[in-house]
Amino acid sequence: VQLVESGGGLVQPGGSLRLSCAASGFTVSSSCMSWVRQAPGKGLEWVSLIYSGGNTYYADSVKGRFTISRDSSKNTLYLQMNSLTGEDTAVYYCARDDWAVAGTGAIDIWGQGTMVTVSS
Amino acid sequence: QLVLTQSPSASASLGASVKLTCTLSSGHSSYAIAWHQQQPEKGPRYLMKLNSDGSHNKGDGIPDRFSGSNSGAERYLTISSLQSEDEADYYCQTWGTGIRVFGGGTKLTVL
Repeated sequence: VQLVESGGGLVQPGGSLRLSCAASGFTVSSSCMSWVRQAPGKGLEWVSLIYSGGNTYYADSVKGRFTISRDSSKNTLYLQMNSLTGEDTAVYYCARDDWAVAGTGAIDIWGQGTMVTVSS
Repeated sequence: QLVLTQSPSASASLGASVKLTCTLSSGHSSYAIAWHQQQPEKGPRYLMKLNSDGSHNKGDGIPDRFSGSNSGAERYLTISSLQSEDEADYYCQTWGTGIRVFGGGTKLTVL
């Protein structure tokens, strides 16, 4: 069971970036998946989640700018990030929680993270 | 509002035990939480889910030295026989419909 993020990098303020998270050992579309970020030297901040049924939710800090989605054929989770600012600079982790198995939101699998730097 | 509060730092000696605390906000004292460990320069790792009745479900490979308990709105993570690799940041996490919430984290120093 594994999550592998990709797509991070350096982007200018106002720019866009799409992160990917490839899953193995379980089915993304049957799970509740989240994106969580960590700014340099700071704690963990939940960003967005998508339930198995397709409903999506966002933190207020990214609502209207970020979009979470998934591709069942690729067993991959995505985060489309638009209108980026310096405050979005962080390591972005994808994560699975045990909603599908145990009916709770306890995150039980983490990816290794991908760094996003927003700077001119 | 669903909020988790953690002390920013804690310390204990090698081989000793330490108890970290996570406090649920008013009106949410029955919520379950999860504990996660983040070692320096690494991603988070799931330790356990701590249910409101005090029972806990540990992640794969988590040593018996790690245990959880409850008292009212407080959720605890106890680490016994501290080892150097236990020096890390520890985060509690809870959830509601359409939201996941993290505490601010506790930085544990092993002396």
